[in-house]
Amino acid sequence: NAGVMQNPRHLVRRRGQEARLRCSPMKGHSHVYWYRQLPEEGLKFMVYLQKENIIDESGMPKERFSAEFPKEGPSILRIQQVVRGDSAAYFCASSPRPGDRVNTFGSGTRLTVV
Amino acid sequence: SQQGEEDPQALSIQEGENATMNCSYKTSINNLQWYRQNSGRGLVHLILIRSNEREKHSGRLRVTLDTSKKSSSLLITASRAADTASYFCATASVIQGAQKLVFGQGTRLTINP
Repeated sequence: NAGVMQNPRHLVRRRGQEARLRCSPMKGHSHVYWYRQLPEEGLKFMVYLQKENIIDESGMPKERFSAEFPKEGPSILRIQQVVRGDSAAYFCASSPRPGDRVNTFGSGTRLTVV
Repeated sequence: SQQGEEDPQALSIQEGENATMNCSYKTSINNLQWYRQNSGRGLVHLILIRSNEREKHSGRLRVTLDTSKKSSSLLITASRAADTASYFCATASVIQGAQKLVFGQGTRLTINP
């Protein structure tokens, strides 16, 4: 079991470009969470998705950010027209069922906007 | 202060000593979890304590939870250099079937050999 796989591990984008972050949950997990960690801070919840559904996106900025979890393939966190303030580590976690007590985290994608 | 706020922000001790980190929170919770994060890495789940539990052990880890004070502590006994990392508490609330974790800012623990 490969665990939660995130790619790329590191991503550098110029201001105004788009960033696409991918998360493949653990086998058998159909619930995905995205968190963002700014430097020297804790993680902040962004969005919770089930297959083909966004359940809770209360932590996601209203503009430029979107997330999806299609029936086939990984979950994608997309950031359009990136700005320097988007530089952060983005973590994905998955669980096999809703409300599961322990979520498994991936190693994260570190986005740097230059 | 934020939900799941850790204290102290940084802690430096000698190998073999015990390390205690505290966490305070504000709202009601389903459970509270502690995670470790090595520099530049992902999070490793350490221990979960449910809201109706007061103490839990796992190896060299001991976690307490006081829901009346809305606080938790993580004790690492007989610390080792490999314990050097950031430690985060996270309060969990289940809303709409989702377990949303609210993390504190973390305690940076340094174990000096």
